[in-house]
Amino acid sequence: AQKVTQAQTEISVVEKEDVTLDCVYETRDTTYYLFWYKQPPSGELVFLIRRNSFDEQNEISGRYSWNFQKSTSSFNFTITASQVVDSAVYFCALSEPGSNYQLIWGAGTKLIIKP
Amino acid sequence: DAMVIQNPRYQVTQFGKPVTLSCSQTLNHNVMYWYQQKSSQAPKLLFHYYDKDFNNEADTPDNFQSRRPNTSFCFLDIRSPGLGDAAMYLCATSRELAGGSYNEQFFGPGTRLTVL
Repeated sequence: AQKVTQAQTEISVVEKEDVTLDCVYETRDTTYYLFWYKQPPSGELVFLIRRNSFDEQNEISGRYSWNFQKSTSSFNFTITASQVVDSAVYFCALSEPGSNYQLIWGAGTKLIIKP
Repeated sequence: DAMVIQNPRYQVTQFGKPVTLSCSQTLNHNVMYWYQQKSSQAPKLLFHYYDKDFNNEADTPDNFQSRRPNTSFCFLDIRSPGLGDAAMYLCATSRELAGGSYNEQFFGPGTRLTVL
């Protein structure tokens, strides 16, 4: 069965610390896509990244970086030098042919950045 | 800027009184989705349109209906809202890619529904 696990329900760090949000997925398909979304207190889901299963290169975008490892079925997200504005709920999601490419969501990790 | 717009942002209705939420998009995406999200939970897909083809999730209650009169607009109708339907309703769009997959979904700001 397809599944996305975000084991960290809530993480709290002090501003400027680095923080990593874990995401582990399960799929039987060889072609699939992984996503991260940010949901700040305002409620809007903001797309952060889409990664296909054939591209294991790590991605860096400013203070954000993503580590995709097929060997461990993980797609972890790291925020470097965290800021208060990073406080939000972060969702990892999986899309694959077996689910007709609908998003399979993790439960989300609530990130609290304290000033 | 191309975007997904939802109106209203906040909607209050009475128990059993029909309500309609609207969504429009300027992205010209062929797929539109409606999600329900309750506090501290991931979004739950209610249904989606692939062009004009309606796809209902198996566990979406009959109380929820949708209309898509054209590419740009999509409506969510709740025929008889119950207290359990109070939630954030999110509209999203995406575009089909070659090979049958879809690009990322872009979300509107959501409509928070309160049922009194």
